Amino acid sequence: QVQLQESGPGLVKPSETLSLTCTVSGGSISSYYWSWIRQPPGKGLEWIGYIYYSGSTNYNPSLKSRVTISVDTSKNQFSLKLSSVTAADTAVYYCARARTVAVAGNWFDPWGQGTLVTVSS
Amino acid sequence: DIQMTQSPSTLSASVGDRVTITCRASQSISSWLAWYQQKPGKAPKLLIYKASSLESGVPSRFSGSGSGTEFTLTISSLQPDDFATYYCQQYNSYPITFGQGTRLEIK
Repeated sequence: QVQLQESGPGLVKPSETLSLTCTVSGGSISSYYWSWIRQPPGKGLEWIGYIYYSGSTNYNPSLKSRVTISVDTSKNQFSLKLSSVTAADTAVYYCARARTVAVAGNWFDPWGQGTLVTVSS
Repeated sequence: DIQMTQSPSTLSASVGDRVTITCRASQSISSWLAWYQQKPGKAPKLLIYKASSLESGVPSRFSGSGSGTEFTLTISSLQPDDFATYYCQQYNSYPITFGQGTRLEIK
């Protein structure tokens, strides 16, 4: 059974870059899409973007200028970088496997447990 | 972006009740809709995809219906484990968007 685990700093200073890694276990990262989704405390869910194992990406336009998602198939990991962060980027960040159909987008299963990233000086 | 609006925002119900949560899309999304359940401090859990397909392992008291712009999630007989927040999500087009959530609480 595939499991995902996020890792990275829990505190990032304003204007710096948030970096998280998602490690996939129990299955191969190949042949799937992988996504990042975030949830500010007490609020709803926001899709950040996805990466295919081959390296192709798709980002939410609201974050596109600041987001980079990359994949390392040799380590069965994918990563998120979000630059120039502000307090508005404080959220629980989830990684998830993105299931897909050719004529539409993605739904998500399974999810990692999530990691809280706080942006503060 | 496609806006997803859930109603109600909060729903109070009792064990054994039948409850329905509605999700409306700002434009047609065909049947490209998923439903998730989220408990405090936990990641969302997939319940339904393609509007009405029950994810493996999800109890059959959960069902989804709808197409186009209006969708429903129904729980036929509430169990204590079902009190949580529910989110709909469209995947008809990018960016993928979620509803604001419906909190299901014990009456």
